[in-house]
Amino acid sequence: GAVVSQHPSWVICKSGTSVKIECRSLDFQATTMFWYRQFPKQSLMLMATSNEGSKATYEQGVEKDKFLINHASLTLSTLTVTSAHPEDSSFYICSARGGTLDTGELFFGEGSRLTVL
Amino acid sequence: RKEVEQDPGPFNVPEGATVAFNCTYSNSASQSFFWYRQDCRKEPKLLMSVYSSGNEDGRFTAQLNRASQYISLLIRDSKLSDSATYLCVVKGFQKLVFGTGTRLLVSP
Repeated sequence: GAVVSQHPSWVICKSGTSVKIECRSLDFQATTMFWYRQFPKQSLMLMATSNEGSKATYEQGVEKDKFLINHASLTLSTLTVTSAHPEDSSFYICSARGGTLDTGELFFGEGSRLTVL
Repeated sequence: RKEVEQDPGPFNVPEGATVAFNCTYSNSASQSFFWYRQDCRKEPKLLMSVYSSGNEDGRFTAQLNRASQYISLLIRDSKLSDSATYLCVVKGFQKLVFGTGTRLLVSP
């Protein structure tokens, strides 16, 4: 299957700093990428949908100025958590769809576990 | 009411047992349905899509009941490696909605 790589896998940062997470589709061109957040024992919650070259569409309740998403190319999307606070500690997962045979299946990155001290 | 609801479990079963999970969804216009598997602290991975006629993949059988708006996953001859959280996923117009997952623990 298609491969989506996410980096970093783990990040610990101080409160008030910004953290950037990268999501790359390694063997296909991702027309659409999704960013999810998952708190312990909860389901994945969609944060935003990004299409290459256009602004991301954020879900209700997600602050677009706090969670900056850039999808500058068909293989790379980034999520920047600005001025992170302990309540932002979570598991952030990206997923992508696309390619020449887009079946609609989502391919997930390995996830990034963020801990804000 | 949540868009997608699952019993969180855990379901504790012995090896070789048959176990079934159900999932209900609220949006009757939902178009596609999936079961994903998520291991602890890992990303979800597609287990199988769910088709209207029901479908089987080895020990796994998925069924869809549109009238009652639920989908099911049946696992036969459980293996230790089946221990994971199983996420019910429903696709609406353009996005996927995930259930909270049902945790399965298979013991020797």
